[in-house]
Amino acid sequence: AQSVTQLDSHVSVSEGTPVLLRCNYSSSYSPSLFWYVQHPNKGLQLLLKYTSAATLVKGINGFEAEFKKSETSFHLTKPSAHMSDAAEYFCVVIPDSWGKFQFGAGTQVVVTP
Amino acid sequence: EPEVTQTPSHQVTQMGQEVILRCVPISNHLYFYWYRQILGQKVEFLVSFYNNEISEKSEIFDDQFSVERPDGSNFTLKIRSTKLEDSAMYFCASSERAHTEAFFGQGTRLTVV
Repeated sequence: AQSVTQLDSHVSVSEGTPVLLRCNYSSSYSPSLFWYVQHPNKGLQLLLKYTSAATLVKGINGFEAEFKKSETSFHLTKPSAHMSDAAEYFCVVIPDSWGKFQFGAGTQVVVTP
Repeated sequence: EPEVTQTPSHQVTQMGQEVILRCVPISNHLYFYWYRQILGQKVEFLVSFYNNEISEKSEIFDDQFSVERPDGSNFTLKIRSTKLEDSAMYFCASSERAHTEAFFGQGTRLTVV
């Protein structure tokens, strides 16, 4: 069975400080991994993806994530948070099968001035 | 930039009524999906659709639900005899290939009263 765990349901950071959103997965295969962001009243927007190429993946809006197979992790980071980063972030896994996405529970990010 | 569009953005319906949620996937995509998110819960997979038939469905997707691609552009989710517990945000998504990133619509918030 495959699953994805987001370790923090809420993260609060000050503007200009680093952001770290943690994600661990379990998979019997080599998964594809994604981070999506959902701003209030908006759809799910793809931030970045890992599909067995470079382990450090750069995405939009200054976000990046590192795939660590030994730790089964795919944590999302940004060096300097902006107010517009306040949103909910989802770590998503596609196991090595047909293509059904498995979503983490989400991490709500709050950015304070 | 191409995007997945969903209509309506909000739908209120009485218990027992039928609803149809509509989606227009990205035009060159071949794989289509419906997900839902009950308030405060995880995003859950409902069904995937390829080559005019259901490829995979979850336990949630029982006889009450059906999907259809009535023409070359629309992809619909029908819920017969809605129940209170069907209240959720429903997301449509599409992807160009299997096992790759999906692009999500902005969602339809369904409220069953």
